[in-house]
Amino acid sequence: EIVMTQSPATLSVSPGERATLSCRASQSVSSNLAWYQQKPGQAPRLLIYGASTRATGIPARFSGSGSGTEFTLTISSLQSEDFAVYYCQQYNNWPPHLVTFGPGTKVDIK
Amino acid sequence: QVQLQQWGAGLLKPSETLSLTCAVYGGSFSGYYWSWIRQPPGKGLEWIGEINHSGSTNYNPSLKSRVTISVDTSKNQFSLKLSSVTAADTAVYYCARGVLVVVAATSHYYYYMDVWGKGTTVTVSS
Repeated sequence: EIVMTQSPATLSVSPGERATLSCRASQSVSSNLAWYQQKPGQAPRLLIYGASTRATGIPARFSGSGSGTEFTLTISSLQSEDFAVYYCQQYNNWPPHLVTFGPGTKVDIK
Repeated sequence: QVQLQQWGAGLLKPSETLSLTCAVYGGSFSGYYWSWIRQPPGKGLEWIGEINHSGSTNYNPSLKSRVTISVDTSKNQFSLKLSSVTAADTAVYYCARGVLVVVAATSHYYYYMDVWGKGTTVTVSS
């Protein structure tokens, strides 16, 4: 089973600053990596899929990069609405077919 | 604009069976994977399992013995049953649409969940 880890657990950032979040897979997942944003009391929202493709309607300040085992989500200039928890996710397209989430990174106001 | 609407019992006693249903509005039911995900209070996301329009299922091995996901294509709905619940099953349960893209030339693939229900809070308490 592929294990996803994320760092840091909490990231304190001032509005307007750049935020860099990391996600690591225990073995290569190629570019099979998605990122989600979740705000309190809301369902997760898809930000990035295929490691680097922004989902429909996602602002350009969100970008994803990486392949294999190391991935990064960058928010170029944090807006007030970006303070949230961010999860990475991968999927095994072989038995056992399994969706795995990372534990999340909370981005809060510095 | 695809929307998922979910419902089900929110309060259960230990040993009962959790039952939730998710209806798909405004889009095709076929060609996608329909998932259930849960989130215990203050914790992260845990994938429970998925089903496609033909009824093929995949389950999280950690829950497989207690989970059944079924589909009703005539109503564009899919359902979750989780048996023998305990307090550890207390969580917000989400339904979501999964998209699997296979790049034929390279056999690479990627998967993401692009539409989510609003979530149902399920509490297990005696």
